[in-house]
Amino acid sequence: AQSVTQLGSHVSVSEGALVLLRCNYSSSVPPYLFWYVQYPNQGLQLLLKYTTGATLVKGINGFEAEFKKSETSFHLTKPSAHMSDAAEYFCAVSSGGGADGLTFGKGTHLIIQP
Amino acid sequence: KAGVTQTPRYLIKTRGQQVTLSCSPISGHRSVSWYQQTPGQGLQFLFEYFSETQRNKGNFPGRFSGRQFSNSRSEMNVSTLELGDSALYLCASSLNLQVGGYTFGSGTRLTVV
Repeated sequence: AQSVTQLGSHVSVSEGALVLLRCNYSSSVPPYLFWYVQYPNQGLQLLLKYTTGATLVKGINGFEAEFKKSETSFHLTKPSAHMSDAAEYFCAVSSGGGADGLTFGKGTHLIIQP
Repeated sequence: KAGVTQTPRYLIKTRGQQVTLSCSPISGHRSVSWYQQTPGQGLQFLFEYFSETQRNKGNFPGRFSGRQFSNSRSEMNVSTLELGDSALYLCASSLNLQVGGYTFGSGTRLTVV
């Protein structure tokens, strides 16, 4: 069985500061890992994904994440927060076959202080 | 290219009724999966279809069912609605996880009164 833990249901940072959203996963097989963002009353938008290869993954809007197998982590970072980054962020894991869908974390609400 | 389209966007139903939600995947995507999102339980996997076959189902009662048509469009059905079924229902389609991952639609907001 797979699981995802996102530390911190709410994270508040100042505009221009570093954004760090934490994600730890549990998987019995090599995982595929994803970060999604959700704005109010909208669906989920893919920020970035790790499947195989390079462990540092760059995504859209200046976000990146690093897959650390030894720490079973996939933390999301952005060097400088922007007001438009305020949203709900979800980390998710899949076994890669696709049939079992995605297992999501509970989400982290990112608040940007002006 | 068109994204994942879910209809309707909003729906209000009465307890005991049934409801059908529709999802049209991105052209060429053969995998469609459904998720329920609620404030209490978060995002939970309902089921996944590939080439008209249900490959997996999440931990939901039999009142929740779905199907996929030959053109990859999918529907999910909830019978005997309960208040707790009020949620945002999201559909996602995929060509290949390594290439594009899952692309989500905007969802159908179901309210059961």
